[in-house]
Amino acid sequence: QKEVEQDPGPLSVPEGAIVSLNCTYSNSAFQYFMWYRQYSRKGPELLMYTYSSGNKEDGRFTAQVDKSSKYISLFIRDSQPSDSATYLCAMRDGSSASKIIFGSGTRLSIRP
Amino acid sequence: NAGVMQNPRHLVRRRGQEARLRCSPMKGHSHVYWYRQLPEEGLKFMVYLQKENIIDESGMPKERFSAEFPKEGPSILRIQQVVRGDSAAYFCASSPAAGGVNEQFFGPGTRLTVL
Repeated sequence: QKEVEQDPGPLSVPEGAIVSLNCTYSNSAFQYFMWYRQYSRKGPELLMYTYSSGNKEDGRFTAQVDKSSKYISLFIRDSQPSDSATYLCAMRDGSSASKIIFGSGTRLSIRP
Repeated sequence: NAGVMQNPRHLVRRRGQEARLRCSPMKGHSHVYWYRQLPEEGLKFMVYLQKENIIDESGMPKERFSAEFPKEGPSILRIQQVVRGDSAAYFCASSPAAGGVNEQFFGPGTRLTVL
């Protein structure tokens, strides 16, 4: 079993829709949870991060972490064609030198 | 303020040749990470380095792969005697410090093709 599971998609939704992206994980030591966005042929860029459980909102993006269920989500409101990209969840434990474990990424397409 | 720089962006090698991938971290960053991304897969951690030290190489294949981050100059990921299975995108990331959210800034990647 992979440490981090993510549905690869592809996911196609119309412009303006709410998008829900999810990951599950198995390592209860994970404390930092991140979402990266990766455009085609580019490096990933950090979108959101959350420490421990709870919600975090930034503009049209909301990240949720449920540690009891080992489940994290990213919601995108009022989706735009420019949001079309691959979204990677990522997480790590609390030690200072721990590596980041990435999900396999979900490819998202927003139809105009 | 330049971001993480990687070169070359594309590299073609024949089986058995050596591949050298270079990464210059962002200014002020002393922590460098290398990741490999196979087609349709997420990023897989390979190695974490600070200046002149390898901190964690648990993701590096035991043979043919090595990495360094010298006192001066870029970090180098070296793959000896490449095989077709080494074809992938290799990303470098840097951060100003370890721990915490440890935001890592990624470079554009080097796409290695082994013929």
